[in-house]
Amino acid sequence: DSGVTQTPKHLITATGQRVTLRCSPRSGDLSVYWYQQSLDQGLQFLIQYYNGEERAKGNILERFSAQQFPDLHSELNLSSLELGDSALYFCASSVELLRSLSTGELFFGEGSRLTVL
Amino acid sequence: AQTVTQSQPEMSVQEAETVTLSCTYDTSENNYYLFWYKQPPSRQMILVIRQEAYKQQNATENRFSVNFQKAAKSFSLKISDSQLGDTAMYFCAFMKFYDFGNEKLTFGTGTRLTIIP
Repeated sequence: DSGVTQTPKHLITATGQRVTLRCSPRSGDLSVYWYQQSLDQGLQFLIQYYNGEERAKGNILERFSAQQFPDLHSELNLSSLELGDSALYFCASSVELLRSLSTGELFFGEGSRLTVL
Repeated sequence: AQTVTQSQPEMSVQEAETVTLSCTYDTSENNYYLFWYKQPPSRQMILVIRQEAYKQQNATENRFSVNFQKAAKSFSLKISDSQLGDTAMYFCAFMKFYDFGNEKLTFGTGTRLTIIP
């Protein structure tokens, strides 16, 4: 158990709909990362938040948005869904106490599997 | 931008044998982390081993070891005495050395490893 919680684990919806994926990072972790894994593909970085603020952005579509709340949980919003958005969406968190203490390790949740029909 | 290449989409090996998974990467950075993550059928991302680029000594974790060749930008994973539980997708990943504001992981496309009884 990595300590990172993602909900829902599975989600089936129709094209054009909007969904929200939720992530609770490990206790004490300030950074949250979102990754997308399409079928049999590697993980593509979407976006990172640090202590409530957007830190880095990857290949995230304009239809997708995210935020991190004061309690540090994060939500990924996917709208106007298309068939190609079907994927496993991972959240990860990391410890960032001080630069010198960073281990570079990310802790992943179990993912949310989104199926768009 | 960094890229990570895994040139072996699939591999299989008999139980108890040794197998080596290849990974090459491209970066202009001098300090960075390299990782191998395992993704079993459960889809959980599990950290197998981590290497800091400034360390010349190859990392080892029980049956898992790496051959890190910094000049060649090569980072292979060796699994000794392979076990059925090693069956999984293996991803090689790169991270800049605590670049405040850009701690994302860049993943390769993965190698599907099957351990044959």
